[in-house]
Formats: sequence, C-alpha cells, structure tokens
Amino acid sequence: GENVEQHPSTLSVQEGDSAVIKCTYSDSASNYFPWYKQELGKGPQLIIDIRSNVGEKKDQRIAVTLNKTAKHFSLHITETQPEDSAVYFCAALYSGGGADGLTFGKGTHLIIQP
Amino acid sequence: GAGVSQTPSNKVTEKGKYVELRCDPISGHTALYWYRQSLGQGPEFLIYFQGTGAADDSGLPNDRFFAVRPEGSVSTLKIQRTERGDSAVYLCASSLMGLAGVGSTDTQYFGPGTRLTVL
Repeated sequence: GENVEQHPSTLSVQEGDSAVIKCTYSDSASNYFPWYKQELGKGPQLIIDIRSNVGEKKDQRIAVTLNKTAKHFSLHITETQPEDSAVYFCAALYSGGGADGLTFGKGTHLIIQP
Repeated sequence: GAGVSQTPSNKVTEKGKYVELRCDPISGHTALYWYRQSLGQGPEFLIYFQGTGAADDSGLPNDRFFAVRPEGSVSTLKIQRTERGDSAVYLCASSLMGLAGVGSTDTQYFGPGTRLTVL
C-alpha cells in the first residue's frame, strides 16, 4: 500500500517569512495530493490540492509543487501570519478505482512567531 | 451550506462497552469515509461507502468494528467490546463522488470528529 513521509514534524518561522513542508510518497500510481490544515479540536480542512497532471498550483499565499519522477510534493506558504499556526497534513490517493481512502503523513506543527 | 457533522463530539465509555458514532455527510455527497486519528498522528483510513454499500473496508482493524449507511446518507460506526486502544478521534469525511470524477468531485471534506475515550 501507499506510504507517505512528511518533514519536518515541527516548523517555527517568523511572521512574514515563508514556510515549506515536504512529503514523499511510495506508490507511483497515486494521482491526487491534498493538503489539510487542522486546528486544535477541529477536523482537517482542505487548503489546496494537486493532481498528477500538473506540476504546480497556487492559491494566493499558498502553493503546492509536485515532482512525479521523485515522488515528492511540497507545500509553500508565503508571508506567514499568526493564523497560519496549525498542524498541516499532506496526503496521497490513487483516485481511479479500488481503495479511495487517503493516506496521510504524520503532520507538521507550524508555529508562527510574532 | 452545512458541512459534515458528527455526533457526539465526545464519548467516554468503559472497557467492554458498545458504542455508536454518527456521521451526517454534506447533502448530495454519495461517498462517505471513516478515519481514525490517534494523538500526534495523521488520520488513518477505516472504511469507504459509495451509496449504501461499503466499497472498501480494508482499514477496519478487526471484527469489533462495523459501519453501516442504510439509506445512503447518514452513517454509523459501531464498535463492540471497546478496548483502551480504541481511544482516538474518529473522523468522517464525504465527497460528491468517490471514484475518479471530473474536477474536484472526489475532494474529501471532513467533519469535526468524535473524541472517543475508553476507560
């Protein structure tokens, strides 16, 4: 089955700086890669996703890049703000039949220092 | 519109008891998923429904766990003879279509979860 590794486990950045979280996956058939933000006591909230037919996607201060050859994808947050502090999860899925459950990384606790 | 809702938000039970956790998906979503999240970990897939049928239950840890979705909307996760190791947050998610669809029809939206504590 799929295995997703996520790094770092904790990331502390100054407000206004950029943050980068990296994930690798093992199943070359995976074709859908969402990122979720989870605040304390709440469920995961989708912030951006990318499919294997594109290499990069951007939404305001958030961007995701995908390298299918290396089986690697990253989340980039620019101009970080205090409200960006949360736990971020990457996930991977082969969306095309069979199992449709997401495989998640272990999460990155992002801390924005004022 | 309303998102995925789950009840109860918290459930405390004793070892050996039976519990039911409920999920109300987003209206019109045909696919429903259950995940389990232990402290400090990412969610782990348990079971996926397409309509009323369980299309994939490969994530259920053992036969004490069972889920139903009789009318293709609300789902109930049932745990028999609970053990302390079952303590976790149980998350439900739904998507418009479970299989590969056009655009974002397979995007999964999560509920707030039910925190289960087994004493």
